[in-house]
Amino acid sequence: AQTVTQSQPEMSVQEAETVTLSCTYDTSESDYYLFWYKQPPSRQMILVIRQEAYKQQNATENRFSVNFQKAAKSFSLKISDSQLGDAAMYFCAYRSANSNYQLIWGAGTKLIIKP
Amino acid sequence: DTAVSQTPKYLVTQMGNDKSIKCEQNLGHDTMYWYKQDSKKFLKIMFSYNNKELIINETVPNRFSPKSPDKAHLNLHINSLELGDSAVYFCASSQDPGTDTQYFGPGTRLTVL
Repeated sequence: AQTVTQSQPEMSVQEAETVTLSCTYDTSESDYYLFWYKQPPSRQMILVIRQEAYKQQNATENRFSVNFQKAAKSFSLKISDSQLGDAAMYFCAYRSANSNYQLIWGAGTKLIIKP
Repeated sequence: DTAVSQTPKYLVTQMGNDKSIKCEQNLGHDTMYWYKQDSKKFLKIMFSYNNKELIINETVPNRFSPKSPDKAHLNLHINSLELGDSAVYFCASSQDPGTDTQYFGPGTRLTVL
């Protein structure tokens, strides 16, 4: 069975600096998708970034980028120029492309932005 | 325009009651989901419907019953509520369950007293 591990329950960063959130996963499949979702205090789950496993190029969305290491089964999220509005819980998630399409979630990392 | 909406946002009720949470999406997606997020923030899939057919049905007490009257709606009915049902329930949708990103509703915080 697939699992997703986020080893950092909480991270803090100074405003305007860069922070990296870690995520590792375990799977025997070769075709899958990885996601980072953000959950601010409003509770809304917001998609931050998505990566297809077949793509070697790391996904980027404005200040958010990932470091996808398929062999190492690692999928970290880098947030550049951190802003106060980035404060939230960040969840890493995995989904198979072949069967059982449910998202497998990590436990989340709480990101604190220091002004 | 709200893409995935849930009602109510907050629900406080007594043990033993029956309650429903409604979900609607206006994205034209074919697949909808229900997730439960417990007090430790852990998210777990409960159900998924694709074109009104059940495709994921995780180990959930049969007191929970999803109902999909059409592709745009997936409601969650809970019978005989228990204290342990207190959680935040999220509805989500995607176009294709295998390839597409899931978009989430705002969540419904259920508190059972």
